[in-house]
Amino acid sequence: QQQVKQSPQSLIVQKGGISIINCAYENTAFDYFPWYQQFPGKGPALLIAIRPDVSEKKEGRFTISFNKSAKQFSLHIMDSQPGDSATYFCAASMQKANSGYALNFGKGTSLLVTP
Amino acid sequence: ETGVTQTPRHLVMGMTNKKSLKCEQHLGHNAMYWYKQSAKKPLELMFVYSLEERVENNSVPSRFSPECPNSSHLFLHLHTLQPEDSALYLCASSPQGGSPLHFGNGTRLTVT
Repeated sequence: QQQVKQSPQSLIVQKGGISIINCAYENTAFDYFPWYQQFPGKGPALLIAIRPDVSEKKEGRFTISFNKSAKQFSLHIMDSQPGDSATYFCAASMQKANSGYALNFGKGTSLLVTP
Repeated sequence: ETGVTQTPRHLVMGMTNKKSLKCEQHLGHNAMYWYKQSAKKPLELMFVYSLEERVENNSVPSRFSPECPNSSHLFLHLHTLQPEDSALYLCASSPQGGSPLHFGNGTRLTVT
């Protein structure tokens, strides 16, 4: 059972536009929601993360919006640039005692920002 | 460099071979992970080690055998694999019970 559902699967945005990727989850015990960015030939790298006690977090051009009641969260990339072209993964996790912080990932969104 | 180094970067093996993937982290973390990344599928958690003890095993077939000799090194031993095991295998580390996960660049495995 997939615990985190991500959409769209792929996205094409013009340079300067806003890229929006959405995720939904079922498990209300999740308490940590990161977004990872992955370039070809590289492993995923943490982009930005949020905990459910806030509804929005902004870091530069990247913003997470979080809706706890709807069990949804989204990534907004403002002023999208060609260098943002990558695959983006949302994830969700809950901390388990003595077991690290294993993440449940969405299927990923392939973003292409055209010049 | 990501702080998490995986070797080899690419591996081609036959179904009867035995090989091992290696992961080393230089971040002082106490938890290490193996993930499998296949096209069109979410990253799949395979194993979690915390303080060198396996704390999670996500119903992974026995042809995958992990080993964590110390908090800096993690291995994935492979034997009698199937073609559907072809994928990118990612290692990650994190502070114990904490975040974020730091990933290596993966080993691209092809089973022929």
